[in-house]
Amino acid sequence: DGGITQSPKYLFRKEGQNVTLSCEQNLNHDAMYWYRQDPGQGLRLIYYSQIVNDFQKGDIAEGYSVSREKKESFPLTVTSAQKNPTAFYLCASSILSGGSGNNEQFFGPGTRLTVL
Amino acid sequence: GQNIDQPTEMTATEGAIVQINCTYQTSGFNGLFWYQQHAAEAPTFLSYNVLDGLEEKGRFSSFLSRSKGYSYLLLKELQMKDSASYLCASLDSNYQLIWGAGTKLIIKP
Repeated sequence: DGGITQSPKYLFRKEGQNVTLSCEQNLNHDAMYWYRQDPGQGLRLIYYSQIVNDFQKGDIAEGYSVSREKKESFPLTVTSAQKNPTAFYLCASSILSGGSGNNEQFFGPGTRLTVL
Repeated sequence: GQNIDQPTEMTATEGAIVQINCTYQTSGFNGLFWYQQHAAEAPTFLSYNVLDGLEEKGRFSSFLSRSKGYSYLLLKELQMKDSASYLCASLDSNYQLIWGAGTKLIIKP
């Protein structure tokens, strides 16, 4: 089955530790995205990538880092510099990164990160 | 600035019809998306409108008026499983999705 996987679903870390969230897709999508969702708020874009070895900051990139070494993978590292890292993190991918047409994003199941 | 407005919460009765409104102001416009999100789960795609008018898809329909910066999602014959958050998102001139905070829909028997 084609889709996007994120692991783990729940993650606990101590304050001051870096943590990496995985995101893998086998949909052959060019574009991948990382969002953060807090209770009562919409999705906020952290980073996105339209092509391998290239990525762009979103609205709330501070305290996060990403890499895109393979088309299928877009891991997100939450660093100790992120002041309030506890949140629900969603990874998404899409066929089109621009141009006309439906830019529907497909989402992974999410990772709920809790920093203690 | 860019802004998406939708009601925070709505309540409806099983079997009834509900309309969830969304207004948007974005830098450029390349279409309007509606997603459904159940608690602690990933959003799932419901509809995409880029031209004015109504798009019907089973019990769900979505409407767009580009001149008014307005869309709505219409849900008919409501079922308990429709209890979820409904997210409105506008595709801006950079083909990035700008998301609303979501409307939590509560269905009562």
